[in-house]
Amino acid sequence: EAGVAQSPRYKIIEKRQSVAFWCNPISGHATLYWYQQILGQGPKLLIQFQNNGVVDDSQLPKDRFSAERLKGVDSTLKIQPAKLEDSAVYLCASGRRGNTGELFFGEGSRLTVL
Amino acid sequence: SQQGEEDPQALSIQEGENATMNCSYKTSINNLQWYRQNSGRGLVHLILIRSNEREKHSGRLRVTLDTSKKSSSLLITASRAADTASYFCATDAEDSNYQLIWGAGTKLIIKP
Repeated sequence: EAGVAQSPRYKIIEKRQSVAFWCNPISGHATLYWYQQILGQGPKLLIQFQNNGVVDDSQLPKDRFSAERLKGVDSTLKIQPAKLEDSAVYLCASGRRGNTGELFFGEGSRLTVL
Repeated sequence: SQQGEEDPQALSIQEGENATMNCSYKTSINNLQWYRQNSGRGLVHLILIRSNEREKHSGRLRVTLDTSKKSSSLLITASRAADTASYFCATDAEDSNYQLIWGAGTKLIIKP
């Protein structure tokens, strides 16, 4: 089966600019997660979707971050305006419905904010 | 929030030796998982152990779980250069709403 697709792989922007990341999960996976991973740290959950509904966005900085999952499939994560501390890898993962078994990760989108 | 804590933070061993990494967590769990992350790549699932299991094997991997101590260990036997990566434990807490809580990882370097 095809894996989780993410784009772009790399993005460099100036602070206060905006950026968007895209994720296409594995077909049929109901849950989709966006994580932020800063160098040397574990993944930090930003938002969790179940189909196209938000399950948890408690750690999403809503003043600058937004995410949506249209029709319960693809998802986009947007940052506007970006800050220096947003430099990180943004990982998308998907999992089967109602099962906190294995998560499948994309390769990530590395953001550098200058 | 981060529930899991891996120990050690970094580990460097010779190829062919065994590598052991530990993970401690705080709350009751449904399962615990180990993932590998090669530099610049996404995370790859290695093994899942349920709360009612004590030991699990997969190829050169052996995972143990001690729920009384809230800890797990990952043993990689006969290490290879390709095992060089960061290893993360993730717990599915009983009240987690299908979320995994991650540790900070152990960085493993296998020297040829």
